[in-house]
Amino acid sequence: QVQLVQSGAEVKKPGASVKVSCKTSGYTFINYDINWVRQATGQGPEWMGWMNPKSGKTGYAQKFRGRVTMTRDTSISTAYMELSSLIFEDTAVYYCARWAVDDLDYWGQGTLVTVSS
Amino acid sequence: DIQMTQSPSSLSASVGDRVTITCRASQDIRNDLGWYQQKPGKAPKRLIHAASSLESGVPSRFSGSGSGTEFTLTISSLQPEDFTTYYCLQHNSYHITFGQGTRLEIK
Repeated sequence: QVQLVQSGAEVKKPGASVKVSCKTSGYTFINYDINWVRQATGQGPEWMGWMNPKSGKTGYAQKFRGRVTMTRDTSISTAYMELSSLIFEDTAVYYCARWAVDDLDYWGQGTLVTVSS
Repeated sequence: DIQMTQSPSSLSASVGDRVTITCRASQDIRNDLGWYQQKPGKAPKRLIHAASSLESGVPSRFSGSGSGTEFTLTISSLQPEDFTTYYCLQHNSYHITFGQGTRLEIK
């Protein structure tokens, strides 16, 4: 069965970077784009960007350009999202999700990133 | 970027009621819209894609309609497990945007 398993919770100081992993299984990794979505407590989901695992091509939301980098390691079917220059407002649950034709069909369990001094 | 305006932001209803949630797009997005349900502490779960196509396994009391700039999600007869939060998502451009969400509460 399709699974996306994310890395564990992180606590970071302002100005630091965080890298979240998303290990996939149950399907051919390079055939589906991976998207990243974050959600602050009590807020709606916020789309961050997408990555094509086959080509490595990415597209980022305007808000995150210059601070976010999405990469992958096809040998282990894993996608990564790195966010730099963290601020308190980056505290949120970060999700990876698979894009299937016209929706996000499978999601990771979420990774809580807390930015605290 | 395309903006999605979802309404209402919250809604009180009773088991058995019929409810409708609306999303309006800032420009024509054809039928490139989906609806998601999110329960506390969980990732969003897809309900409807392409504006009106029900995902496999989703109860038939959920339905979607619309195209262009106005879309609706209807739940025909609310069940206890339906009282949670709903979001629309547009993907007309390569940049996805979500609606602000509708919290469905028991009256």
